[in-house]
Amino acid sequence: DTGVSQDPRHKITKRGQNVTFRCDPISEHNRLYWYRQTLGQGPEFLTYFQNEAQLEKSRLLSDRFSAERPKGSFSTLEIQRTEQGDSAMYLCASSSDSGRRADTQYFGPGTRLTVL
Amino acid sequence: AQTVTQSQPEMSVQEAETVTLSCTYDTSESDYYLFWYKQPPSRQMILVIRQEAYKQQNATENRFSVNFQKAAKSFSLKISDSQLGDAAMYFCASENRDDKIIFGKGTRLHILP
Repeated sequence: DTGVSQDPRHKITKRGQNVTFRCDPISEHNRLYWYRQTLGQGPEFLTYFQNEAQLEKSRLLSDRFSAERPKGSFSTLEIQRTEQGDSAMYLCASSSDSGRRADTQYFGPGTRLTVL
Repeated sequence: AQTVTQSQPEMSVQEAETVTLSCTYDTSESDYYLFWYKQPPSRQMILVIRQEAYKQQNATENRFSVNFQKAAKSFSLKISDSQLGDAAMYFCASENRDDKIIFGKGTRLHILP
């Protein structure tokens, strides 16, 4: 069990460019979550997957954002036409689905995005 | 709507002393969970302690314990025998039946040697 990993750890891009982040959950975890954390704030929920199905998307997730989880393993979060307001830490978390409520979410180290 | 409020942006405590971090929340649901997460500088967020709303007994994990006041919608975290490694951002959070965690803005805890 190597924990949740995210790649890249840091990304600097120019406004208008597209970026893609990857998250590898803990193996056998079938739930995967994306959060965004801006400076001085707590993480905000963006979206989550149960296996390969995207179950919910926050209204924070504009049309420029898309997330996928092909085959229910790793997930990607793509931001198109980045804006300076997209600068944030993007956190991924995974949990098992044991059938009980609120299984513990394990967080990755995050990808820090800076849009110039 | 589900909200979580942490009114203390920063706190300091002397090493080996006890500190209490405050949190209030609001939810219209009866079935929910509450959490405290710790985010050390440049490190991953980890779960410190969790509380099921239907349980009367306050959760305890070693030096960490909570004071859960359901009627007042209050959920404070007590850290006993504070250690240098406890220095971090602490986030209070809640989760309803929709499986989404809602976080507060956090409290930065400093441990004074």
